Amino acid sequence: QKEVEQNSGPLSVPEGAIASLNCTYSDRGSQSFFWYRQYSGKSPELIMFIYSNGDKEDGRFTAQLNKASQYVSLLIRDSQPSDSATYLCAVNPSAGGGNKLTFGTGTQLKVEL
Amino acid sequence: DGGITQSPKYLFRKEGQNVTLSCEQNLNHDAMYWYRQDPGQGLRLIYYSQIVNDFQKGDIAEGYSVSREKKESFPLTVTSAQKNPTAFYLCASSTQRGGGTDTQYFGPGTRLTVL
Repeated sequence: QKEVEQNSGPLSVPEGAIASLNCTYSDRGSQSFFWYRQYSGKSPELIMFIYSNGDKEDGRFTAQLNKASQYVSLLIRDSQPSDSATYLCAVNPSAGGGNKLTFGTGTQLKVEL
Repeated sequence: DGGITQSPKYLFRKEGQNVTLSCEQNLNHDAMYWYRQDPGQGLRLIYYSQIVNDFQKGDIAEGYSVSREKKESFPLTVTSAQKNPTAFYLCASSTQRGGGTDTQYFGPGTRLTVL
């Protein structure tokens, strides 16, 4: 079983719509959760992180965490063509692992005009 | 201008050669990491270092070596023992406050191709 799972996509949404990206993780003791955006051929860039259950908003982005269901999601409101990229979910597992992150394989998002 | 730099951007290696990838950061971060990314796969951790003169193996350390003589620098050597080195190599750094609050930031990457 993969430790961090994401649907590889592609997920296609029309411009202006809400894109919903999902991630599940296996380690129930995981502490912190990160979303990175990666354009083709480039390195990942941090979008946002979340530690506590509930929602965290930053501009057009909202991260949602449900530790009981071991599920974290990223919502992108008013999707733009420039949001087309691969979105990586990363999880910091249980205490004692330092700052090591476990990454999912990413979901490719395509925002269509 | 703070950040993480990696060089070279592209690197070509012949069979049997060792090559060294450079990673430098001026963010004053204590921790540094090396990842490998293959097409369609997530990032896999090769080595990481939480303090100068100390480093630990990640999930796929075989065929790689690192050093951490300075806080700012964490070079990665891909040895001839690494059988399939063609990949995109990413260096990252983070603070070391603990509690899962440390965010990793990535350099621009080095794309290594074996000829």
